[in-house]
Amino acid sequence: DTGVSQDPRHKITKRGQNVTFRCDPISEHNRLYWYRQTLGQGPEFLTYFQNEAQLEKSRLLSDRFSAERPKGSFSTLEIQRTEQGDSAMYLCASRVGAGGLKTQYFGPGTRLLVL
Amino acid sequence: AQKVTQAQTEISVVEKEDVTLDCVYETRDTTYYLFWYKQPPSGELVFLIRRNSFDEQNEISGRYSWNFQKSTSSFNFTITASQVVDSAVYFCALIVDMRFGAGTRLTVKP
Repeated sequence: DTGVSQDPRHKITKRGQNVTFRCDPISEHNRLYWYRQTLGQGPEFLTYFQNEAQLEKSRLLSDRFSAERPKGSFSTLEIQRTEQGDSAMYLCASRVGAGGLKTQYFGPGTRLLVL
Repeated sequence: AQKVTQAQTEISVVEKEDVTLDCVYETRDTTYYLFWYKQPPSGELVFLIRRNSFDEQNEISGRYSWNFQKSTSSFNFTITASQVVDSAVYFCALIVDMRFGAGTRLTVKP
């Protein structure tokens, strides 16, 4: 399967702990996106990368959140000092191309539960 | 500002009925793309269709069809002869930075 993969699929943590999620995009895709989806809501944009450069960050991405894509391939999303409000599905998507508007392909998501 | 509105929060139909999911969008951009994604209970978002702002031709793919009307800023999705496997949450999305609607939960009962 050469789709977008995310790890872990599920994470349960205690409030105040740090968590890190990983996303492996489709290999030839140079754009990588992170979204957060809470129950009953549509996905909300968090940030995106073009290759290793983080080009945009949403207001939703507080200073407790940090994302990296050091080699322009996989990406990590870290949440520090987790809060119960961080409980959500974190989705990663990737697409090919810097110009134009092309289809994003989504990974299965990482479901985070903060107790 | 960009906005996507899916006014129907939940729809329930009986198998084999036709169902239309509404999507209304707002944007000042003249160039944009619209998408529909399906999210089954497994949670993964599945791409269904992409349509650019210059192409108002309607599209049919099997039991799925899409009606794009710029005059009313709508991009509605119809499932003909619905099946239980169509039960999912369906999201309409607007590019550039993928503004999603809140989703419409479709339940198809046997």
